[in-house]
Amino acid sequence: SYVLTQPPSVSVAPGQTARITCGGNNIGSKSVHWYQQKPGQAPVLVVYDDSDRPSGIPERFSGSNSGNTATLTISRVEAGDEADYYCQVWDSSSDQVFGTGTKVTVL
Amino acid sequence: QVQLVQSGAEVKKPGASVKVSCKASGYTFTGYYMHWVRQAPGQGLEWMGRINPNSGGTNYAQKFQGRVTMTRDTSISTAYMELSRLRSDDTAVYYCARSQRITGAIDYWGQGTLVTVSS
Repeated sequence: SYVLTQPPSVSVAPGQTARITCGGNNIGSKSVHWYQQKPGQAPVLVVYDDSDRPSGIPERFSGSNSGNTATLTISRVEAGDEADYYCQVWDSSSDQVFGTGTKVTVL
Repeated sequence: QVQLVQSGAEVKKPGASVKVSCKASGYTFTGYYMHWVRQAPGQGLEWMGRINPNSGGTNYAQKFQGRVTMTRDTSISTAYMELSRLRSDDTAVYYCARSQRITGAIDYWGQGTLVTVSS
């Protein structure tokens, strides 16, 4: 089965840049989507198809994908960005796969 | 605006079944796949399967094969997920969520339904 591995936690000071990685075998050949989930709420799509943003998502959120790693970058981090973040892909053998999740803490 | 409104919380005993509904509005129900994703307390997101509301065709995660059934009623734009032979580790929040393509992002989510399995 296809596995997506994320760091359990990332800590960042306000105004700095947070980078969240998502590792998977040849993930660069797949479309990666990213979700933000705050406590007690449903996930929200923040980046789709590697690097596109849905309407209403700030430009501070960006994504990239190459080789075996996809990355979600949050620039000029704000307190409101504190949340869990999940990557997700479709794989021909495993169907929909979610990453293990990363908790972003704003110091 | 797109809305996915799920049924309310459920408490079930081990061995029982639960059926969760998801009413869609604000878009063409048959134009988007409907997925079911669950999240156990303090854990990550787990994909359970999807249904094509247009054809009724389903794809289930291997883990849930034989225990999950996804259906829909196009006349009322509602999708259903039934999970049988419940165990305590099925305690989770269950979400319905839509995507336009199989490989596409899940762009709208329901509010979630807490299912508690306890004797």
